[in-house]
Amino acid sequence: DGGITQSPKYLFRKEGQNVTLSCEQNLNHDAMYWYRQDPGQGLRLIYYSQIVNDFQKGDIAEGYSVSREKKESFPLTVTSAQKNPTAFYLCASSLSPTGELFFGEGSRLTVL
Amino acid sequence: GENVEQHPSTLSVQEGDSAVIKCTYSDSASNYFPWYKQELGKRPQLIIDIRSNVGEKKDQRIAVTLNKTAKHFSLHITETQPEDSAVYFCAANQGSTLGRLYFGRGTQLTVWP
Repeated sequence: DGGITQSPKYLFRKEGQNVTLSCEQNLNHDAMYWYRQDPGQGLRLIYYSQIVNDFQKGDIAEGYSVSREKKESFPLTVTSAQKNPTAFYLCASSLSPTGELFFGEGSRLTVL
Repeated sequence: GENVEQHPSTLSVQEGDSAVIKCTYSDSASNYFPWYKQELGKRPQLIIDIRSNVGEKKDQRIAVTLNKTAKHFSLHITETQPEDSAVYFCAANQGSTLGRLYFGRGTQLTVWP
């Protein structure tokens, strides 16, 4: 089964803690993305990577970090520096930068 | 960067009627305009896209039109059905560099039976 998998689906975190969201794809896609979805805000780009060992900041990168050590994996760390981390996070991949985005099922992070 | 605006934010139609969602963009170099549908509790999925070398594209009950001069594009759904109820997002790529899309804020479409 080809696809893009995010974990965990739900995550609770105390203030001041870092948390890492996993994103794995077996579609052999070069490009991977992290979006944040808040009600009424659309999909806002956090980070994206077009190739292994390279990534760029999106529009709301502050308080987040990523790595791209393998083509299949693009984990997102939400650090304690992120002021309002409670949100729904979507990972996506695409074969090319202007190709169809395939999204994971999302991870809902709640900071208590 | 690109700025994509989407209207309306909510849209209610009767089953069988048509629905139109409009988006404008700011970067004249943008050349790729996809539309995504997100049903409640599910991931967004591509439903149709258009590139700047065409003005209109149709896929059954769904069509997208593009006016590059005016920098706007629209999604048209005809003969709407209750299963069309979802949030629809338009997007435009950043023309000067590849690798990212800018999304509109979404339109919640409700189709009443």
